[in-house]
Amino acid sequence: KNQVEQSPQSLIILEGKNCTLQCNYTVSPFSNLRWYKQDTGRGPVSLTIMTFSENTKSNGRYTATLDADTKQSSLHITASQLSDSASYICVVSAKAGGFKTIFGAGTRLFVKA
Amino acid sequence: DVKVTQSSRYLVKRTGEKVFLECVQDMDHENMFWYRQDPGLGLRLIYFSYDVKMKEKGDIPEGYSVSREKKERFSLILESASTNQTSMYLCASSFEGSEAFFGQGTRLTVV
Repeated sequence: KNQVEQSPQSLIILEGKNCTLQCNYTVSPFSNLRWYKQDTGRGPVSLTIMTFSENTKSNGRYTATLDADTKQSSLHITASQLSDSASYICVVSAKAGGFKTIFGAGTRLFVKA
Repeated sequence: DVKVTQSSRYLVKRTGEKVFLECVQDMDHENMFWYRQDPGLGLRLIYFSYDVKMKEKGDIPEGYSVSREKKERFSLILESASTNQTSMYLCASSFEGSEAFFGQGTRLTVV
């Protein structure tokens, strides 16, 4: 069964600290993995996208890693800011005939001053 | 910039009402999607469309229908709204296999 599991479910950190969010998946055959940021009351916005051959991709203070062998991805946030408070959603796509996209439940991050 | 626009940010409807949620995209994307998002469950796909007048059921289509008469517009219809359809509804569009762009969401409350 195609699944995407994220941990932790929620996280509180102090402004300026780093944090890492995890995503484990069992989606097959793997096509790509994306991380989205969703501010409260808004639609998700794409942060990074990685294909099978990519191990790491950065977008400013956000760095995503992918280990296709262990089917794990992480999103590392450096020097967190109050505006990083949001939900972070891991999304994995499979390609078998058409595309199937599986969403994780998200990690709710709260950055406090 | 891609723009996906949902007609309402907030809606309050009564049980049994017929509800229309509208979504318009301006990037000529062939694929459009409707999701609902509930706490702890993440995004769940209701219906999607890969071409005008074409529609496919997602994971939770029961109680919903959709309409795509024009490429840029994808409507979600609740034939008879129920309280368990209170949720955040998100529309998205994409090219085949590419990143999905989301609208700002419609928070629907059924009372």
